[in-house]
Amino acid sequence: NAGVMQNPRHLVRRRGQEARLRCSPMKGHSHVYWYRQLPEEGLKFMVYLQKENIIDESGMPKERFSAEFPKEGPSILRIQQVVRGDSAAYFCASSPRTLPGETQYFGPGTRLLVL
Amino acid sequence: EDKVVQSPLSLVVHEGDTVTLNCSYEVTNFRSLLWYKQEKKAPTFLFMLTSSGIEKKSGRLSSILDKKELFSILNITATQTGDSAIYLCAVDNAGGTSYGKLTFGQGTILTVHP
Repeated sequence: NAGVMQNPRHLVRRRGQEARLRCSPMKGHSHVYWYRQLPEEGLKFMVYLQKENIIDESGMPKERFSAEFPKEGPSILRIQQVVRGDSAAYFCASSPRTLPGETQYFGPGTRLLVL
Repeated sequence: EDKVVQSPLSLVVHEGDTVTLNCSYEVTNFRSLLWYKQEKKAPTFLFMLTSSGIEKKSGRLSSILDKKELFSILNITATQTGDSAIYLCAVDNAGGTSYGKLTFGQGTILTVHP
């Protein structure tokens, strides 16, 4: 059973470009979470999605950021018109359900560098 | 605002030492507390704690939760260089709602010298 997969592992963008980060949850997992880790900081929750639904996006910046988890295919975190402050590691986690006792399993992250 | 605070922020020890990492929290709807180990890639799950006073063990690692005092400790005995990592504490504060949103502390950077 493959773990959570993210790609690309490293992404370099110039200011103003778009970044698209992909996350394939573990097989059988239908809940996906995105977290951002800024340099020298802990992970910060961004958004929680189930298939075709955004459940909680309270941690997403109001502008330029969007996320989706289509019926088929990976979850996508999209950052439009990137700025230097978007440089961070973006982690995706998945779980089979959100009952007490369920653990979130993390992917290897995508390290975004904005030049 | 929900808050998870870890201490110390960094720790340097020698192989064979025992270390204790601390995590305190203030959250509105506590459901569980989790410890993760992060090396150069994905945080890997160590423990999930939901009940006070019950120690969880895995090899040289152990952890316990105090829900009255709102903290948890992670102990590592007989440390090895492979224990060098960032140790993350997170609280699942979804409570009665149906999602597992984690609030993370800033992490403790542990360095174990040979």
